[in-house]
Formats: sequence, structure tokens, C-alpha cells
Amino acid sequence: DQQVKQNSPSLSVQEGRISILNCDYTNSMFDYFLWYKKYPAEGPTFLISISSIKDKNEDGRFTVFLNKSAKHLSLHIVPSQPGDSAVYFCAARDNTNAGKSTFGDGTTLTVKP
Amino acid sequence: DTGVSQDPRHKITKRGQNVTFRCDPISEHNRLYWYRQTLGQGPEFLTYFQNEAQLEKSRLLSDRFSAERPKGSFSTLEIQRTEQGDSAMYLCASGSGSSPLHFGNGTRLTVT
Repeated sequence: DQQVKQNSPSLSVQEGRISILNCDYTNSMFDYFLWYKKYPAEGPTFLISISSIKDKNEDGRFTVFLNKSAKHLSLHIVPSQPGDSAVYFCAARDNTNAGKSTFGDGTTLTVKP
Repeated sequence: DTGVSQDPRHKITKRGQNVTFRCDPISEHNRLYWYRQTLGQGPEFLTYFQNEAQLEKSRLLSDRFSAERPKGSFSTLEIQRTEQGDSAMYLCASGSGSSPLHFGNGTRLTVT
């Protein structure tokens, strides 16, 4: 039973356009959500997060939206740049274990020049 | 902040052999996590420590796996009698409080 799902294994966008990466979760106990970015041969690095008390968090070109009723979140990158090409992991955690996260299987983003 | 360091980066071993991996977390972090990642999947939680205490272990962690963090600093993950199904990337991460995890670059294990 996968509690965090990223249904699109890959996404390709043109440089300068918007990238939208989606994530769904099933566990109602999740109250904090994170996006990590991973380049080949490196570990995941934290990108942006959102608490369940908010529906939007923005950091520069990156915005995360949370729809609690739909158990859905999305990461928007605008404008997309070739350096954004990486694997993006959605992760979620509950308040019973700060730090421990459940990850989705990732979406590989390719931004074409 | 020198980041999370993992050693070795790659390990090739024959089935049945024992292997040990090391993780040096960010020094200020009191929490340390081990995750495993296989191709096409996201990281899966294995176990975590708060200081030297191992507080949670996943059911994925069979009896052949053991992790230690003897002085609340570095940690080791040992796999005994390795099997081909153990081939994966083993990721270590550290954090403090409710901060996001800082991951190392992982140890890639190949069991032949």
C-alpha cells in the first residue's frame, strides 16, 4: 500500500514554461509535505515544504500547493530552466515521528533548452 | 556544514558475504536515518536514531540488518549474509527537530 504516489514517472517541458509535478497521498495523518530534488549520483536535496495548515508556499520560482480535501499537492516551477532537470520526490510525514518521511517514487523532469 | 558523508560510495560483494557501511551526519544533528532506494522507486525508511538510541525500525529491516550509532555521532549499517535482493542504494540522512532531512550521496551496493 503506497501512501504517497507520484503518478507521472516523467515530464518534459520547454525552457521558460511552467513545470507542474503532482503528488497524491492516502494517509490522513500526514501533516507536513516536502519536495526533494535529486541529481544523478547525488542524494536528494530539500527543495520546499508546506504544512497542512497552509494551502500554498512560495520560494522564488518554486511554489507548492496543497489541497487537503483531495489529498493532493503539486509543485510548480516557473519559469523552468535546464538546470531544473532532475528527479523530484514528494514526501510526507506525520507528527508522530518528526523527520521520518514517506516518499513517492519520483518524477523525472526534463527541461529542454 | 560539511554535509552528510557516506563511505564507501560503491560496494560490490558476493552473495553470502557481510558488508558494513558508514555514515557521518552533520555534527549538530541529533537524528540520523537510514533509507534504501531501488531503481525507479523513492527512498524507503529503514531505521532512525535519536542520539545513540535506535527508536524505530521498519519491517523491511530483516534480522540480517543491524545498525548502530555508538556515540551518537557516526552510524554503521551492517548487512549479514547478503542476498541479491539487497542490491540497492543505501542513503543516510540527518536532521534535528522537525527540519527537513539532509541526505548523503549514498552507498550503492551490488550483490553478485
